[in-house]
Amino acid sequence: DAKTTQPNSMESNEEEPVHLPCNHSTISGTDYIHWYRQLPSQGPEYVIHGLTSNVNNRMASLAIAEDRKSSTLILHRATLRDAAVYYCIRRPNNAGNMLTFGGGTRLMVKP
Amino acid sequence: ETGVTQSPTHLIKTRGQQVTLRCSSQSGHNTVSWYQQALGQGPQFIFQYYREEENGRGNFPPRFSGLQFPNYSSELNVNALELDDSALYLCASSLGRSGSSYNEQFFGPGTRLTVL
Repeated sequence: DAKTTQPNSMESNEEEPVHLPCNHSTISGTDYIHWYRQLPSQGPEYVIHGLTSNVNNRMASLAIAEDRKSSTLILHRATLRDAAVYYCIRRPNNAGNMLTFGGGTRLMVKP
Repeated sequence: ETGVTQSPTHLIKTRGQQVTLRCSSQSGHNTVSWYQQALGQGPQFIFQYYREEENGRGNFPPRFSGLQFPNYSSELNVNALELDDSALYLCASSLGRSGSSYNEQFFGPGTRLTVL
């Protein structure tokens, strides 16, 4: 039970921002939110993670709702290379390195 | 720095056979996790090895077993193959102690297993 809900697919235009939503309404206080993405024919790769505050890194930004029941992964300027399946993962603090993947969101980027 | 590598890339077996998949961790990583990814689905956690011992297992039967070697490379063994075992098998390495705060996982490209 992944305990996160994401849209099956989304479409974006190249060089435009993309907002990928994730619902995790049953999240507990110590659960982290992680995002991984899987490019075609590759293994998943880490994108970003956070607990309560919004987070930024070179790949993306993560906006976490104040009640922590939802979050949004933001790609500031989508490129064709960003076409992938994006997984939002709720990770309990005591889960070690185990990741529970759901179905993810398939992002398609149009030129 | 060498990334995570897996071998073979593709494999075809028949029902009832046994298979061994191999994974070389990223340099310096002491923890290896294995995942099964059926077509169109997200990866499912099989188990994790830390310093040669299994520590953490998902909802997979005992015919899925593994090993981690002193150089932290790893094997996944599956006995009595079933048709439903057809999937992409992913290996991920990381640096960290089991049960501790999270360490980013680095995935290999996977081994595509087909069971006929």
